[in-house]
Amino acid sequence: KQEVTQIPAALSVPEGENLVLNCSFTDSAIYNLQWFRQDPGKGLTSLLLIQSSQREQTSGRLNASLDKSSGRSTLYIAASQPGDSATYLCAVKDRGNNRLAFGKGNQVVVIP
Amino acid sequence: EPEVTQTPSHQVTQMGQEVILRCVPISNHLYFYWYRQILGQKVEFLVSFYNNEISEKSEIFDDQFSVERPDGSNFTLKIRSTKLEDSAMYFCASSEAGASSGDEQFFGPGTRLTVL
Repeated sequence: KQEVTQIPAALSVPEGENLVLNCSFTDSAIYNLQWFRQDPGKGLTSLLLIQSSQREQTSGRLNASLDKSSGRSTLYIAASQPGDSATYLCAVKDRGNNRLAFGKGNQVVVIP
Repeated sequence: EPEVTQTPSHQVTQMGQEVILRCVPISNHLYFYWYRQILGQKVEFLVSFYNNEISEKSEIFDDQFSVERPDGSNFTLKIRSTKLEDSAMYFCASSEAGASSGDEQFFGPGTRLTVL
């Protein structure tokens, strides 16, 4: 059974600092990995999708890397802003499944 | 931009009552999903649906749960006899393709179900 872990569970950074969020998964036989943003009491907004054949994906200030063999992904947010405060969820889709397996999230607070 | 919508945003019900949660997936998507998130816990997969039948379900999705696509646009989750532990945020999602692809899943805003 796929297990997804996200470290750290929570972090606070001053505005302007770069954010590094880590995700690890136990089974490397995945189709893809998605990073989501979740605001309190709200839905999930897809940020980036990395296919298993890719090593990284970029969108604006966001960059996500994938090292499938070691079961790791990192979400990098450059020059953080207070509006980046949210919980970031990592989810993997295993080969042969429809389901996404989620981590518990990295809760981020960017201090103005 | 197309999006998944869900109604209602919040549902309060008494234990033992039936509830139906509604979703409108993105129009050209073929795969539909329900997930739930109990407060403070991980988002958990419940069921996926394709071509008018369940394609995969988790151990959570027991006989109390059912899904249906009653028409060309709606996708519903029914809980027959709600329990206190069914209290959670329920998310609907959809994707263009399913298990054999790396397609992105798009999520709705969720329905918060409170069972009293």
